[in-house]
Amino acid sequence: DADVTQTPRNRITKTGKRIMLECSQTKGHDRMYWYRQDPGLGLRLIYYSFDVKDINKGEISDGYSVSRQAQAKFSLSLESAIPNQTALYFCATSAETTGAQETQYFGPGTRLLVL
Amino acid sequence: GDSVTQMEGPVTLSEEAFLTINCTYTATGYPSLFWYVQYPGEGLQLLLKATKADDKGSNKGFEATYRKETTSFHLEKGSVQVSDSAVYFCALSGRDNTGKLIFGQGTTLQVKP
Repeated sequence: DADVTQTPRNRITKTGKRIMLECSQTKGHDRMYWYRQDPGLGLRLIYYSFDVKDINKGEISDGYSVSRQAQAKFSLSLESAIPNQTALYFCATSAETTGAQETQYFGPGTRLLVL
Repeated sequence: GDSVTQMEGPVTLSEEAFLTINCTYTATGYPSLFWYVQYPGEGLQLLLKATKADDKGSNKGFEATYRKETTSFHLEKGSVQVSDSAVYFCALSGRDNTGKLIFGQGTTLQVKP
């Protein structure tokens, strides 16, 4: 079984709808991250969390919210979806570290299309 | 702020050709540097990393050396295979202890038989 899972894998929605993307991990990591990938732009950080009570905004958090329901679960919500949120969304996890060298482990991604 | 710049793709090579994908970075202090690979339809996975100047990361025949003087972390492989076709991302993680990754734009590699 995969260590980091994302649901759904694909989603089509309409402008103005609220949707939730879910991420679960079995690696026992404290740190979880949400990124979006756009062609030609690489991945950009939306939100990250160090534990259930520690959630932080990333580079592009406007229009998004998150919930860390448990150590293993980190959900991303689009409160009112708009077409420029069409992208590939990745969840990632890493162990806590005192340095900057920890590997991040990525889920398979959720492809979102907002019409 | 910190940033990563990769050479633009796509890169198309014949099997057994030599590969170089250039990556340069701008960062405060001494970040950790990574190469991640994304195979078609999959998430990213770590290919190699280096955490201090002059370190060489290596894996699956790929290598990259952390060059502080040129702020670079170029990816190389001596002989590519069709199975190496993927998107390659250079990334850095700063010394702020957040673990956040800053990615380059990605380089698509296509290897033809």
